[in-house]
Amino acid sequence: DGGITQSPKYLFRKEGQNVTLSCEQNLNHDAMYWYRQDPGQGLRLIYYSQIVNDFQKGDIAEGYSVSREKKESFPLTVTSAQKNPTAFYLCASSETGGQPQHFGDGTRLSIL
Amino acid sequence: AQSVTQLDSQVPVFEEAPVELRCNYSSSVSVYLFWYVQYPNQGLQLLLKYLSGSTLVKGINGFEAEFNKSQTSFHLRKPSVHISDTAEYFCAVSDQHAGGTSYGKLTFGQGTILTVHP
Repeated sequence: DGGITQSPKYLFRKEGQNVTLSCEQNLNHDAMYWYRQDPGQGLRLIYYSQIVNDFQKGDIAEGYSVSREKKESFPLTVTSAQKNPTAFYLCASSETGGQPQHFGDGTRLSIL
Repeated sequence: AQSVTQLDSQVPVFEEAPVELRCNYSSSVSVYLFWYVQYPNQGLQLLLKYLSGSTLVKGINGFEAEFNKSQTSFHLRKPSVHISDTAEYFCAVSDQHAGGTSYGKLTFGQGTILTVHP
């Protein structure tokens, strides 16, 4: 079955450490997105990509970086510059400029 | 800029009772509207969407929503809820571009936690 796979499900980061969250999709979607979810704040867009080798900042991009070298993959790196990284991170994809977005099951990141 | 306001952060209800989860949005352009459901420690699942046409939209699991352009609302309703409907529900909006092609970026509300009691 087609879908979006996020790994790992749980991730722990030490202070000053960069970590990378994986997102892979086999839906043949051109567009991919990363969201951050905090309790009571809904989802906020971090980065999005509408085509391979191109991506744009969302509303809260500071302290994060992405790459889009393959259509199927859109990894998110949480850098040491992100001072409050503890959150639930969700990856999504859609057809180019289209709706709706399909979501993965998320990665929960915590600070040790 | 767009914004979405879900008017209730928590809604408790008894099993088999009707429920309405309220959503208002603000946008300077025409929009697409969505409701998603999230079960604990899972991603979001699409419940229903309004893209065009009839303002009454039916979705999965017996949910429906009505788009009211004059009141900029998109409230979600279910006539009789089940214990399994306990989850968090998110309203979201996306701009329509000229020609009706959605750009793809979603703006979410803060979420409403629906708790169904036996």
